[in-house]
Amino acid sequence: DIQMTQFPSSLSASVGDRVTITCRASQSIGTSLNWYQQKLGKAPKLLIFAASSLQGGVPSSFSDSGSGTDFTLTISSLQPEDFATYYCQQTYSTPPTFGQGTKVQL
Amino acid sequence: QLQLQESGPGLVKPSETLSLSCSVSGGSISSSSYYWAWIRQPPGKGLEWIGSVYNSGITFYNPSLKSRVTISVDRSKNHFSLKLSSVTAADTAVYYCARAPQWLGPFDIWGQGTMVTVS
Repeated sequence: DIQMTQFPSSLSASVGDRVTITCRASQSIGTSLNWYQQKLGKAPKLLIFAASSLQGGVPSSFSDSGSGTDFTLTISSLQPEDFATYYCQQTYSTPPTFGQGTKVQL
Repeated sequence: QLQLQESGPGLVKPSETLSLSCSVSGGSISSSSYYWAWIRQPPGKGLEWIGSVYNSGITFYNPSLKSRVTISVDRSKNHFSLKLSSVTAADTAVYYCARAPQWLGPFDIWGQGTMVTVS
């Protein structure tokens, strides 16, 4: 299985901050990388797929960069509704696997 | 708009079989080329893909669970199901159903999730 490692596991930030979350794959996955946002008690929500494509309705403050093994999710200006846990997921090979999550808190 | 809704017992005894269903509304499970998946999340932990089914009935399972998992689709009822046998406390989790637009695609629509406790 491809292991996905996210760091940091948690971070503290304020409204308006620029936030970056890193996801590293144990082998090259090209651009087969997706990002999800999960709020407490809710299902994950797809933010970005194929490493750079923004899902419909997702603010342009979210962006991704990277390919191969290293990827970065950036929130350009953190909003109150962005405090959540973020997961990366590889869909390069089966089984699709997720990172352990990064909690963005105040 | 397509919606997914999980249903099933919230409490299962050890060694028994966990059975869940995911109802699809706002669209037909068999009218498109989507894959329908089950994903779980133990309390306070990350996400684990359990398996997926295509509307033809073709299935794909996580090797770590393959010996205990059966996923099936019922086109007449517009739902798909999960059975996980010989459960233990380690199977306690929130179980989500989800849709992917292609095999090894992102999960773009999720159900709200249902908590299943093994005890």
